[in-house]
Amino acid sequence: DVKVTQSSRYLVKRTGEKVFLECVQDMDHENMFWYRQDPGLGLRLIYFSYDVKMKEKGDIPEGYSVSREKKERFSLILESASTNQTSMYLCASRKGQGIAGELFFGEGSRLTVL
Amino acid sequence: GNSVTQMEGPVTLSEEAFLTINCTYTATGYPSLFWYVQYPGEGLQLLLKATKADDKGSNKGFEATYRKETTSFHLEKGSVQVSDSAVYFCALRNANTGNQFYFGTGTSLTVIP
Repeated sequence: DVKVTQSSRYLVKRTGEKVFLECVQDMDHENMFWYRQDPGLGLRLIYFSYDVKMKEKGDIPEGYSVSREKKERFSLILESASTNQTSMYLCASRKGQGIAGELFFGEGSRLTVL
Repeated sequence: GNSVTQMEGPVTLSEEAFLTINCTYTATGYPSLFWYVQYPGEGLQLLLKATKADDKGSNKGFEATYRKETTSFHLEKGSVQVSDSAVYFCALRNANTGNQFYFGTGTSLTVIP
C-alpha cells in the first residue's frame, strides 16, 4: 500500500521556537508538497518540490522554508514559530507531470504555537 | 486564473438521503477535476476524478460528471451512510498551472442515523 508518512501527528511549540515537520513517501514520487489547512480557507500551498534539492514557492511561503535532500523526504521548517502558524499541515506527493495524476496525502501534523 | 468554488457547509443529512455537493470552477483550457475526502483525524484521499468533458468519475457510490458547459463537477450519492460523514474537497489541476492543484474550501457532511 502506498504511503506518505508525517513524523508527528500533534506538536505544541512556543513562539520563537524552530519547528521541523518531516514527510516521507515510499512511492518514488518526483513531486512533493506542503499544504496548510485552516477552517474556511481550505488547503493552501506553502512550498513544493519537483526534484531533489529543487523547490518552488506556493501561495503562502512567508515564514516557512523547506528542504529536500533525498527523493523520498521533504521537510518543512518554521524558523521562528508564531501563533498565526497554528494550523494543520498536510504533506502530499505525486508522480510525474501528467495532468491527471492524483495527490497522495499524509495524515497531517497539527501544530499549536503558544 | 484558476479557482474552485464549492457549496458552503456544514451539511447534515439523515441516513439514506440523497446527497449533492456543488462545485464550480474557473479555468482556461481543459483541467482535470478531482473530489477528495477527509475522514475525521485523517489526511485527504482521492474519492474520484475526471480528466475530460462529459467524463463521469465514480467510487464508493459517489459520482460526479465533468460539465464543461456549466463549468461544474457536482458530487452526488443516492443514499448516504453514517460512514460518509467527512469533509469533501473539490479540486482542479490545469496544464497551465504546473504542479499546482487548486482546492475548494471544503464541505463538511454529517450523516445522522
